[in-house]
Amino acid sequence: GENVEQHPSTLSVQEGDSAVIKCTYSDSASNYFPWYKQELGKRPQLIIDIRSNVGEKKDQRIAVTLNKTAKHFSLHITETQPEDSAVYFCAASSSGGSNYKLTFGKGTLLTVNP
Amino acid sequence: GAGVSQTPSNKVTEKGKYVELRCDPISGHTALYWYRQSLGQGPEFLIYFQGTGAADDSGLPNDRFFAVRPEGSVSTLKIQRTERGDSAVYLCASSLNLQGEGYTFGSGTRLTVV
Repeated sequence: GENVEQHPSTLSVQEGDSAVIKCTYSDSASNYFPWYKQELGKRPQLIIDIRSNVGEKKDQRIAVTLNKTAKHFSLHITETQPEDSAVYFCAASSSGGSNYKLTFGKGTLLTVNP
Repeated sequence: GAGVSQTPSNKVTEKGKYVELRCDPISGHTALYWYRQSLGQGPEFLIYFQGTGAADDSGLPNDRFFAVRPEGSVSTLKIQRTERGDSAVYLCASSLNLQGEGYTFGSGTRLTVV
């Protein structure tokens, strides 16, 4: 089955700096890669996603890049703010043409220091 | 409803007891998923329903775990003879279709087996 590795496990940055989180996946059939933000005790919330037919997607301060050849994808957050502090999870769909089954990385605890 | 609703939000049970966890998906969402999130980990897929049928139960850890969705809406995850290792947050998600459109998580049920 699919295996998703996520690095780093913790990341501390100063407010205004950029943060980058990287993930690799194993199943070349995976074609959907969402990123979730989870605050303590709350539900995971989708912040951005990318499908395998594009290499990059941007939404305001958040961007995701995908390299299908190398089987890795990254989350980029620019101009970080204290409210960006949370655990971020990457995921990959492991269900072929359907996207119902997500395999998650272990998460990155991002701390933005004011 | 406005979001995915899970009840109870917290459940404490004694080892060996039976528990039921309920998920009420977003109205109109045909697909429903259960995940388990242990402390410090990403969510792990358990089972997926398309309508009333369990289309993929490959993530259920053993035969003590069972889930139903008799009318294609509300789902119940049932755990028999609970063990301390079952302690985790059980997350439910729903989506509009197989492609994961509108994939939304509930807030989860925190299960503690003592």
